[in-house]
Amino acid sequence: QSALTQPATVSGSPGQSITISCTGTSSDIGGYDFVSWYQQLPGEAPKLILSGVVNRPSGISHRFSGSKSGNTASLTISGLQAEDEADYFCSSFTRGSTDVVFGGGTKLAVL
Amino acid sequence: QVQLQESGPGLVRPSETLSLTCEVSGHSIRSSYYWGWIRQSPGKGLEWIASIYHSGAMYHNPSLRSRVTISQDTSKDQFSLRLSSVTAADTAVYYCAREDYNSWSFDFWGRGILVTVSS
Repeated sequence: QSALTQPATVSGSPGQSITISCTGTSSDIGGYDFVSWYQQLPGEAPKLILSGVVNRPSGISHRFSGSKSGNTASLTISGLQAEDEADYFCSSFTRGSTDVVFGGGTKLAVL
Repeated sequence: QVQLQESGPGLVRPSETLSLTCEVSGHSIRSSYYWGWIRQSPGKGLEWIASIYHSGAMYHNPSLRSRVTISQDTSKDQFSLRLSSVTAADTAVYYCAREDYNSWSFDFWGRGILVTVSS
């Protein structure tokens, strides 16, 4: 069982916006602004798309945005495109027993 | 551009030790970053294993700590992972990655190497 909870699947149509949630506790998401999001295309390594809750690395589309409220972080993808179909993972720093914890991942289907 | 490449055997016998090396190019591991290992079991999520800093500081996932050794060779810009007493549950794709401790994110990843534990 992953330390952070994500929905198993999310779907949307091209052009729509979708949001993926990531729920933790006050020991991780709720306690720090160190939430990251990763996109994993089929057969590839994860790719960092957001760090520090809202910061996009160079080259990442503005269609990807992040937010946090309490113990829940969210990834929003606007203007959904077929190429966005992938698995998305969240992670957070934690003062718990490990220093970084991941979510179980969300499979995004673009219908 | 930072590049990481994992290497090691793709098949390990149960109870033996898994050994992997990550070669870093385009960047020195003596820089201000941690260097870590993450694994992904087939069809599952990501699990952080351990990370190391060039000073020798390291930290481990407590659930694996008793079996994990992480080390580095700064002269070769390489770092390594050893996982002892493996079982089928350790079958996974193992990734090495650069960890930015300013954001606690992994910003560059290797392509990953599938390690199967089987007799």
